[in-house]
Amino acid sequence: DTEVTQTPKHLVMGMTNKKSLKCEQHMGHRAMYWYKQKAKKPPELMFVYSYEKLSINESVPSRFSPECPNSSLLNLHLHALQPEDSALYLCASSQDAASGSQETQYFGPGTRLLVL
Amino acid sequence: GIQVEQSPPDLILQEGANSTLRCNFSDSVNNLQWFHQNPWGQLINLFYIPSGTKQNGRLSATTVATERYSLLYISSSQTTDSGVYFCAVKGGTYKYIFGTGTRLKVLA
Repeated sequence: DTEVTQTPKHLVMGMTNKKSLKCEQHMGHRAMYWYKQKAKKPPELMFVYSYEKLSINESVPSRFSPECPNSSLLNLHLHALQPEDSALYLCASSQDAASGSQETQYFGPGTRLLVL
Repeated sequence: GIQVEQSPPDLILQEGANSTLRCNFSDSVNNLQWFHQNPWGQLINLFYIPSGTKQNGRLSATTVATERYSLLYISSSQTTDSGVYFCAVKGGTYKYIFGTGTRLKVLA
């Protein structure tokens, strides 16, 4: 099974709302990632968790708050977002983020977020 | 950081045609993947290919790590091949960097 699941598929929220995106994998991977993708652009890395510890934060605004409750789950908590945060949010996992080679990254289907 | 450029940016083909997509990267990498992003946004793994050549059906890929480029070949293209093709590289630990993408449209 090489599946990464994400919920919800679509999300519309106001600028004062608080919401969460969820990601789950059951491949035994120890690295999980959040990416943001704007229309007609490549995915941009936001956060990396390795062995449930935050390893990379790509200078993401504090209105995005990641959480890794266990090795299978990754959340992204959203609060006071701006309309420019509207994008496709992609979750991915891989065997071990610190390993350079022999590693394939698997992506979930994404959450399309619209901030009004 | 590593820069990753893909060419061409856009490509329109008739069904049945062949094509070559290119990925150039600016520094040594120890991991390179090719992905197809379908119209619904799902990124589908095509190849893990830090070096050498691999084939999977109508698709094949070659990476020449010493010259810092990778090629993705699509033969006998079908309309379902439409979408965006990305290469992604990893130079050190943790961080994958995506290329600029090639947007492919295959016409029936």
